[in-house]
Amino acid sequence: DAKTTQPPSMDCAEGRAANLPCNHSTISGNEYVYWYRQIHSQGPQYIIHGLKNNETNEMASLIITEDRKSSTLILPHATLRDTAVYYCIVSLRNAGNMLTFGGGTRLMVKP
Amino acid sequence: GAGVSQSPSNKVTEKGKDVELRCDPISGHTALYWYRQSLGQGLEFLIYFQGNSAPDKSGLPSDRFSAERTGGSVSTLTIQRTQQEDSAVYLCASSLLPGRRSYEQYFGPGTRLTVT
Repeated sequence: DAKTTQPPSMDCAEGRAANLPCNHSTISGNEYVYWYRQIHSQGPQYIIHGLKNNETNEMASLIITEDRKSSTLILPHATLRDTAVYYCIVSLRNAGNMLTFGGGTRLMVKP
Repeated sequence: GAGVSQSPSNKVTEKGKDVELRCDPISGHTALYWYRQSLGQGLEFLIYFQGNSAPDKSGLPSDRFSAERTGGSVSTLTIQRTQQEDSAVYLCASSLLPGRRSYEQYFGPGTRLTVT
């Protein structure tokens, strides 16, 4: 699976959009970009995924560059409950779907 | 509906003892995964089950670790002769059908294992 690079930490003001970047320059054509988050002392939670088109759901938006070498997760109106570690994962969508979690970005939403 | 449940939530054991960790996946989910997370670290994949079989055991860190799944549902992760470096949070996840439109893995709350 392709390796991802994320900033170790970011701050965001409550109510503002949080934009979390991820580089995955070695991504292959059939690998998907997944985002999960882990709130303190809880198991990871799926947020969103995409292949090459931008995606949006009730939690977030995912913007993938045309060359697919990077992506941005957008939380449009961050709340204090969005404080968590956010993991960008690139993985094949095959049997097993083993997820390789890197260091992630620790997002701190501040009032 | 009910999510993934794990038991016990916390386990303290003495070095050298065996421990069993249990995972109850979401009903109907055929794929089950075990991960572990050491303090301050990311998640480390351990093993994956599709039904009762485990085609991928590559993540198990040593032969002291084993896992089984019976009836395509409950799974048990067993650690024999525990060592202090086994201390971690052990997370279980399940998903509906790998390779289908089931991108999400649903995680349980984890079992915090402390080996003294």
